[in-house]
Amino acid sequence: DADVTQTPRNRITKTGKRIMLECSQTKGHDRMYWYRQDPGLGLRLIYYSFDVKDINKGEISDGYSVSRQAQAKFSLSLESAIPNQTALYFCATSGFSNEQFFGPGTRLTVL
Amino acid sequence: GEDVEQSLFLSVREGDSSVINCTYTDSSSTYLYWYKQEPGAGLQLLTYIFSNMDMKQDQRLTVLLNKKDKHLSLRIADTQTGDSAIYFCAEGGQGNLIFGKGTKLSVKP
Repeated sequence: DADVTQTPRNRITKTGKRIMLECSQTKGHDRMYWYRQDPGLGLRLIYYSFDVKDINKGEISDGYSVSRQAQAKFSLSLESAIPNQTALYFCATSGFSNEQFFGPGTRLTVL
Repeated sequence: GEDVEQSLFLSVREGDSSVINCTYTDSSSTYLYWYKQEPGAGLQLLTYIFSNMDMKQDQRLTVLLNKKDKHLSLRIADTQTGDSAIYFCAEGGQGNLIFGKGTKLSVKP
């Protein structure tokens, strides 16, 4: 079984809809991250959490919110999706070594 | 702010060596990483180097670190078509990782 799972893997939605992307991990890591990937822009950090009570904004947090429901779960929400949020979204986890383990990604399309 | 730069594309012939270069700005980075992303997949850690090392070799992979110039390179010997992917350089200390934009490696038969 995969250590970091993301659901859904693909999602098409309309402008203005609320969307939640979920991430679960079985690695026992305290640190979790959400990134988005756009062609030519690499990975940009949206939010990160170093433990259940810790939430931090990343480089591009506007338009997004997160919830750390448990050590193993970190969800990303788009309260009112817009077309320029169309991207590939990755969840990652890390322990103290800072090596990050990535989920398979969620491809989100906002029409 | 912290930045990691790498060229966007590299094309090589099968059997040749590939060298992917990266420059970074944060001299306090403890580790430097190379991640590989195959089409349709997430990122997988390929290798990493501790900041007090100059070189690390792992089978076909050689990582060179020039800390003075803040330059990191990844050499893939005997490049195969299965090495075609996007390669990300990343730097990190105690906090988050900063990723480069990725170098797309194309391997021609």
